[in-house]
Amino acid sequence: KNQVEQSPQSLIILEGKNCTLQCNYTVSPFSNLRWYKQDTGRGPVSLTIMTFSENTKSNGRYTATLDADTKQSSLHITASQLSDSASYICVVSHSGGYQKVTFGTGTKLQVIP
Amino acid sequence: DAGVTQSPTHLIKTRGQQVTLRCSPISGHKSVSWYQQVLGQGPQFIFQYYEKEERGRGNFPDRFSARQFPNYSSELNVNALLLGDSALYLCASSLVFTGTSGRAQMNEQFFGPGTRLTVL
Repeated sequence: KNQVEQSPQSLIILEGKNCTLQCNYTVSPFSNLRWYKQDTGRGPVSLTIMTFSENTKSNGRYTATLDADTKQSSLHITASQLSDSASYICVVSHSGGYQKVTFGTGTKLQVIP
Repeated sequence: DAGVTQSPTHLIKTRGQQVTLRCSPISGHKSVSWYQQVLGQGPQFIFQYYEKEERGRGNFPDRFSARQFPNYSSELNVNALLLGDSALYLCASSLVFTGTSGRAQMNEQFFGPGTRLTVL
């Protein structure tokens, strides 16, 4: 069964600190993995997209890593800001064809001053 | 360039009623997908449409239906609403390209702001 599991479920950190979110997946065959940021009540916004051959990809203070062998990904947020408070969702696409994506349940991050 | 737009932003209905949600994709995007997101959970896939045809369907009852118009906009209809249908309904649009295998593949999805449906 294709699954995407994220941890932790929720996280509270102080402004300025770093944090790392985890994503483990069992999706096969794998096509790509995306991290989305979703503010409460809003649609998800893409942060990074990684294919099988990519190990690391950065987008400003966000850095995603991918280990296709262990089927794990992480999202590292550096020097967190209050505006980083949101849910972060890991989405894995299946290889080939149309709509075949599996969403994780997300990690809810709260950055406090 | 405008992103994905959805209407209405909020909607309150009572059990048994019917609702229609609307989505306009990014210009040039021919694929539209619909998702249901219950509070505290990740989005659940409902439908995908490409070139006005249904290309994928999630595990939702027949009360849920959708269609795509010649201008690639889409509507999601839900009949006989239940309390459990209360959720954020997301629409996502994407480009579709032909991969090296000759099969159509979907590019990155861009999400709209969602429609918050409350069923009382």
